[in-house]
Amino acid sequence: RKEVEQDPGPFNVPEGATVAFNCTYSNSASQSFFWYRQDCRKEPKLLMSVYSSGNEDGRFTAQLNRASQYISLLIRDSKLSDSATYLCVVRRGGSYIPTFGRGTSLIVHP
Amino acid sequence: SAVISQKPSRDICQRGTSLTIQCQVDSQVTMMFWYRQQPGQSLTLIATANQGSEATYESGFVIDKFPISRPNLTFSTLTVSNMSPEDSSIYLCSVEDSPGGGPNTEAFFGQGTRLTVV
Repeated sequence: RKEVEQDPGPFNVPEGATVAFNCTYSNSASQSFFWYRQDCRKEPKLLMSVYSSGNEDGRFTAQLNRASQYISLLIRDSKLSDSATYLCVVRRGGSYIPTFGRGTSLIVHP
Repeated sequence: SAVISQKPSRDICQRGTSLTIQCQVDSQVTMMFWYRQQPGQSLTLIATANQGSEATYESGFVIDKFPISRPNLTFSTLTVSNMSPEDSSIYLCSVEDSPGGGPNTEAFFGQGTRLTVV
């Protein structure tokens, strides 16, 4: 089983839709969680960290469920510019090296 | 934050040859990382480039195939040696935004090198 697993998609949604991605991680010692965004032919960039109590940044909401070992990303009111690949990233406690999921592709169409 | 300049951005190479990828960071960083990203796959860590000592390689990657240099705290190179078509991939360098690393640091990436081996 991979350490970080994501549904690769693609998720194909119309503008204005709400879409949610899940990511599961296998190592219960994982302590830090992030969502990165990677545009086509570009490098990954941090979208948001994921905190235990859940957190929101504009149209984006991240949630963490430690008991079930998954994190989620909710995007409300999707924009065309949200089309990208969203990478789930996990760091184990005491480790400086992040582990990346393979990413979930999102396509927002008019 | 950190700004990383990575080059070349892309290259097409003959099998059996070698390619050296360079990364220059706009600030001093303790560790730099080299990743490979194959189409539709996650980023796979190749090695950690340590200044003043040998790089630390992950399982499945060896120094003879991917020699790394780290002459100072702002620069590193990765060489892909004796290339075969299976080495066709995107190679990315990365740094962390906190001097000692740690669980909440943000990773910054170079723009990537898209390598095609023919």
